[in-house]
Amino acid sequence: QLQLQESGPGLMRPSETLSLTCAVSGDSISSSSYFWAWVRQPPGKGLEWIGNIDYSGFTYYNPSLESRVTISVDTSRNQFSLKLSSVTAADTSVYYCARSVDTPIERYFDYWGQGAQVTVSS
Amino acid sequence: EIVLTQSPVTLSVSPGERATFSCRASQSVGNFLAWYQQRPGQAPRLLIHGVSTRAAGIPARFSGSGSGTAFTLTISSLQSEDFAVYYCQFGSAFGGGSKLELK
Repeated sequence: QLQLQESGPGLMRPSETLSLTCAVSGDSISSSSYFWAWVRQPPGKGLEWIGNIDYSGFTYYNPSLESRVTISVDTSRNQFSLKLSSVTAADTSVYYCARSVDTPIERYFDYWGQGAQVTVSS
Repeated sequence: EIVLTQSPVTLSVSPGERATFSCRASQSVGNFLAWYQQRPGQAPRLLIHGVSTRAAGIPARFSGSGSGTAFTLTISSLQSEDFAVYYCQFGSAFGGGSKLELK
């Protein structure tokens, strides 16, 4: 059974760089069939896609966040990571990692981590 | 950029009854819409992809239909565990969600 687990600091100061890691177990992240994704959810609000990465490191991001986002993959550790620079209170969210079925015509997210709460406050 | 609009925002239904949610896209998304369920304090769970294909382990009381720009998620006979928020999704866009609450 595929499992994903986010880890990272829960509290940050404005202007810092958020860094989260998603550890994948039960399947190899090197599978060429899937992408790996980050999605966030501000308190009491809906879901926002942040970006996707494949095993080779190919990435694409939400244009609204692209200037501040970097997603990377470490196949040797079977994990992938998110960095979001210059955070503000608006970046306070639960951050989820997920596996993405991602083809030229269809994308959906079939496995999710439990989520990591990140709060930005001075 | 595709925008997904869900309705109603909140739906109040009794257990055993049917619940129906709508998702409308600002332009055609073909047959590639997905639906998710999110219970309080939990991660989203994939229910349906490709408009009508149930994900592994999803009960048959969940069904999806539609094409182009208009889609529907139906829960045929509500169970207590179905009271949650439901999201539609295509590509990088998620709908705003519909909350199913106990009547």
